[in-house]
Amino acid sequence: NAGVMQNPRHLVRRRGQEARLRCSPMKGHSHVYWYRQLPEEGLKFMVYLQKENIIDESGMPKERFSAEFPKEGPSILRIQQVVRGDSAAYFCASSPPRETGNTIYFGEGSWLTVV
Amino acid sequence: GQQLNQSPQSMFIQEGEDVSMNCTSSSIFNTWLWYKQDPGEGPVLLIALYKAGELTSNGRLTAQFGITRKDSFLNISASIPSDVGIYFCAGRGNQGGKLIFGQGTELSVKP
Repeated sequence: NAGVMQNPRHLVRRRGQEARLRCSPMKGHSHVYWYRQLPEEGLKFMVYLQKENIIDESGMPKERFSAEFPKEGPSILRIQQVVRGDSAAYFCASSPPRETGNTIYFGEGSWLTVV
Repeated sequence: GQQLNQSPQSMFIQEGEDVSMNCTSSSIFNTWLWYKQDPGEGPVLLIALYKAGELTSNGRLTAQFGITRKDSFLNISASIPSDVGIYFCAGRGNQGGKLIFGQGTELSVKP
């Protein structure tokens, strides 16, 4: 079984450009989460989505950041007009429907570098 | 908001020694998960705990879900060099949803 798939693994953007990070959840998982990890720090929750719905976006910055999980295709984390402080590792995780399991699995991450 | 306090922050041990780390919270969690993260990689799930008082093993790893549902510990027995990495605890509330992570414990093992 394929795990949580993220791409790209590494992304370099100039200040002011847009970054798009993609996440395909594990097969059978309908819940997706995005986390950000700054160097030498822990994982900070950003957003929790189910298909076509944002359930909890309490960790998302108010501006420039958006996330979606369409009916078809991967979840996308979009960062507009990137700044140097956006440089971090972005991890996607997925879990099955609540009634079938309560464990969350992570992808290998997308490392964003803003130059 | 909910916070997890994980300790110790770092550990330097000799190969073969046992290791213990723990997490505490002011909030109740219904699920505790322990992950290991290697440099440049994502967190890998080690052990999942779903019931208060539950004690679960995975090879040399043992973890317990505290009775109060506000704490958990992870033990590693007979450490080996490949145990090096950062260990994170994470808790999840009654309504499911997001995981709250501890700050991590960085483990170094001297051969």
